[in-house]
Amino acid sequence: GNSVTQMEGPVTLSEEAFLTINCTYTATGYPSLFWYVQYPGEGLQLLLKATKADDKGSNKGFEATYRKETTSFHLEKGSVQVSDSAVYLCALPSQAGTALIFGKGTTLSVSS
Amino acid sequence: GAGVSQSPSNKVTEKGKDVELRCDPISGHTALYWYRQSLGQGLEFLIYFQGNSAPDKSGLPSDRFSAERTGGSVSTLTIQRTQQEDSAVYLCASSLLGGTGANQPQHFGDGTRLSIL
Repeated sequence: GNSVTQMEGPVTLSEEAFLTINCTYTATGYPSLFWYVQYPGEGLQLLLKATKADDKGSNKGFEATYRKETTSFHLEKGSVQVSDSAVYLCALPSQAGTALIFGKGTTLSVSS
Repeated sequence: GAGVSQSPSNKVTEKGKDVELRCDPISGHTALYWYRQSLGQGLEFLIYFQGNSAPDKSGLPSDRFSAERTGGSVSTLTIQRTQQEDSAVYLCASSLLGGTGANQPQHFGDGTRLSIL
């Protein structure tokens, strides 16, 4: 079945540093890929998505490109802010399409 | 409401008691999902509803867990004879379509934090 592997944290960065959080997947076909974010004390929110190979999802300065060749969907941001401190989760639909399969999550802490 | 609403937000109960958790999905969303988030386990799928039927309940951990959905809207997750290992945050999500439409993003509620003493 479909699966996702995400780098585990925590990741600690200074403000304005470059961020990469790695995510690789195994899937039948070419499902959509998602990044979700959970800010402290808040619920899970969709950050960005990509629906096909070479698609780039972007939101709030974050980007991720759907790479079929490397089965990856790495999350990047050029200059992180303290307000980006959160847990980031990579996800894709199950093979049956009846659930989202999530990575373990990566905790990002940004200090000023 | 505008988003997925879950109640209660927190629930503390004694081992052996039954609990009911409620989810109000976004209006018009036909697909509804329950997940569980516990320390060290990440997010685990529990059950998926399309309308009022549950074509995938493969994630329910035991027969103490059940869920129903009525009117294609509100869903209730029931845990009978709770155990300490049931302590977790229970999340509900909804989307416009499920199944072959699973490429639609899911919208999550804030969850119910369940603590079993």
